[in-house]
Amino acid sequence: AQRVTQPEKLLSVFKGAPVELKCNYSYSGSPELFWYVQYSRQRLQLLLRHISRESIKGFTADLNKGETSFHLKKPFAQEEDSAMYYCALRGSGGSNYKLTFGKGTLLTVNP
Amino acid sequence: NAGVTQTPKFQVLKTGQSMTLQCAQDMNHEYMSWYRQDPGMGLRLIHYSVGAGITDQGEVPNGYNVSRSTTEDFPLRLLSAAPSQTSVYFCASSSRDYTTGELFFGEGSRLTVL
Repeated sequence: AQRVTQPEKLLSVFKGAPVELKCNYSYSGSPELFWYVQYSRQRLQLLLRHISRESIKGFTADLNKGETSFHLKKPFAQEEDSAMYYCALRGSGGSNYKLTFGKGTLLTVNP
Repeated sequence: NAGVTQTPKFQVLKTGQSMTLQCAQDMNHEYMSWYRQDPGMGLRLIHYSVGAGITDQGEVPNGYNVSRSTTEDFPLRLLSAAPSQTSVYFCASSSRDYTTGELFFGEGSRLTVL
């Protein structure tokens, strides 16, 4: 079974402060991890995926297999980062399309 | 290219009524799925399909039916609505290019069951 845990329902920071959204997973094989974001009144959309090792909108996330974590980080939060963030996992295997989502973390960046 | 289109955006039902949430995508994606989004519960997979004529259950399938007669459409049917089905429903699709992994979502359908 695959499971994703986001321990914080709500996270509030001030503009310019560092932000870290936590994500831990449970999966017996080699997972693929993603972060999706939902801005107010917008569709849920992909923010980044671990296999790309990319930085999007200043956010990065590193897969730590030892700690089974995929925390999302940004050194200096901006007000426009306020949104709901979901961590998601997909199991290995070419026919496995299913994504399992965490419960989400609502990030509020205060001015 | 409209992406994933869901209708209706809002719907109010009475307990016991039936209805269908429509989902269409114009990206020729093989994979389509339905999620429900509830406060504190995140996104939970209801049903999914890996191609026309193929459907399977997700995490919370009870009370919902799906069919996939074409690549483009993946309707979600509520047979006898219950208050517990009050939620926001999202349809999503992705291509068979497994390496990209990106799900494209619709705008959501907010359903209230009284």
